Amino acid sequence: DAGVTQSPTHLIKTRGQQVTLRCSPKSGHDTVSWYQQALGQGPQFIFQYYEEEERQRGNFPDRFSGHQFPNYSSELNVNALLLGDSALYLCASSLPGLNQPQHFGDGTRLSIL
Amino acid sequence: QKEVEQDPGPLSVPEGAIVSLNCTYSNSAFQYFMWYRQYSRKGPELLMYTYSSGNKEDGRFTAQVDKSSKYISLFIRDSQPSDSATYLCAMIRAAGNKLTFGGGTRVLVKP
Repeated sequence: DAGVTQSPTHLIKTRGQQVTLRCSPKSGHDTVSWYQQALGQGPQFIFQYYEEEERQRGNFPDRFSGHQFPNYSSELNVNALLLGDSALYLCASSLPGLNQPQHFGDGTRLSIL
Repeated sequence: QKEVEQDPGPLSVPEGAIVSLNCTYSNSAFQYFMWYRQYSRKGPELLMYTYSSGNKEDGRFTAQVDKSSKYISLFIRDSQPSDSATYLCAMIRAAGNKLTFGGGTRVLVKP
C-alpha cells in the first residue's frame, strides 16, 4: 500500500518564476493538506483541500494556490517566487472526517536562486 | 509568543537510556495531540495520536497529555541509535483541520 507520494523530490528555480508541486494521497484518503517547512523549523500550514475545494487556509499570501482533482491528488502552485520561499514543501493526507491523523510524504525541496 | 513551544535540543543520550521530550502550548482550544518523527531528508512520520489527558503507550513509546497544564510529553524507552531524529509535536483544535507544530527537538542516541 503506497503512502503519500510527492513529485518532484527537488527543484531549483530563480526569483520571479512559478512552480507546481504534486501530491498523491494515501489510498482511501480524500483530504490533502500542504505545509511549508523552513530549515530547522516545524512545518507551517498552507491550506487544506477536501472535495476539490479549499477548506481552510493558513497565513500565506495569494501567491500560493492549489487544486485538488477528482482522484484526490493535489497540486500546490507558487507564483512570483521569492528567496524566502526556499523550503521543504510537505503534503499530508487523511481519512474523511475532522481531526483525523495526517500522514506525510517526503516532500519537495524547493531552492530559489 | 509561539502557540506551541518545544526545546530545539540537541538532546544527546546513551543507547538504552530513556528519552524525554515535551511541548507546552498556550491555546486551550487544542484538543488532539500528535508526535511525529522526522529523519533527515524525509517527511514526518506519525508516532502517537492522543486526545484524552493521561498516558498512551505503544511499544517503546509513551505519550502523556496534561490539558490542565497545557503540557505534553513523549518518552522513548530503551533508546536505539535508529531513534536519532528530530521529534515534532503537533496539535489540532476540536473539529479542526490544521496541524500546529512545535519547532522540533533533535535527538541523538549514541551507541
